Amino acid sequence: NAGVTQTPKFQVLKTGQSMTLQCAQDMNHEYMSWYRQDPGMGLRLIHYSVGAGITDQGEVPNGYNVSRSTTEDFPLRLLSAAPSQTSVYFCASSYSSDEQYFGPGTRLTVT
Amino acid sequence: GENVEQHPSTLSVQEGDSAVIKCTYSDSASNYFPWYKQELGKGPQLIIDIRSNVGEKKDQRIAVTLNKTAKHFSLHITETQPEDSAVYFCADLPSDMGRRALTFGSGTRLQVQP
Repeated sequence: NAGVTQTPKFQVLKTGQSMTLQCAQDMNHEYMSWYRQDPGMGLRLIHYSVGAGITDQGEVPNGYNVSRSTTEDFPLRLLSAAPSQTSVYFCASSYSSDEQYFGPGTRLTVT
Repeated sequence: GENVEQHPSTLSVQEGDSAVIKCTYSDSASNYFPWYKQELGKGPQLIIDIRSNVGEKKDQRIAVTLNKTAKHFSLHITETQPEDSAVYFCADLPSDMGRRALTFGSGTRLQVQP
């Protein structure tokens, strides 16, 4: 099992550019989620999904889109990057929202 | 929304001493309380968790206690070692079916001095 994988590890964007952060898991988990981590603020939930075809907003969803067409994949799209989106992004998965397993993260810088 | 407060934000101990990190939560419907360890440059890793029908849980040198009446839970690390140095996060999960999502505390940076 590879667990939760995220690509890319690092990314630099210019303001206004769009991109997709990839997340995949091979544990057949129904629940997947995206967090951002900023210094001194812990982990804040962006979007989550309780199964294929179902997504919902978290605490800080503005500027991000998600879709869940398969159980394995849960991509996060930045529509028009802003410097405030500079952060470390983590994807996580679990069977039912508890016992979440985290990926290694994507460090994003928006200039 | 739910709020989880975590203290202290930094903690420095001597190798072999104990470390205690405390969290309080606001949602009385919360019924699951995990602790995560995050090493530099890595994703958080679940190290121990407790559910609301249990008061204490141990796993070797780490333990978690839960006081549902006071709405707080704590992580205890005994006989600390340099490899315990990391950032630790607490979280909770409400039992209602609205938003089934963890709410995290702001983290504690633990430094174990050899």
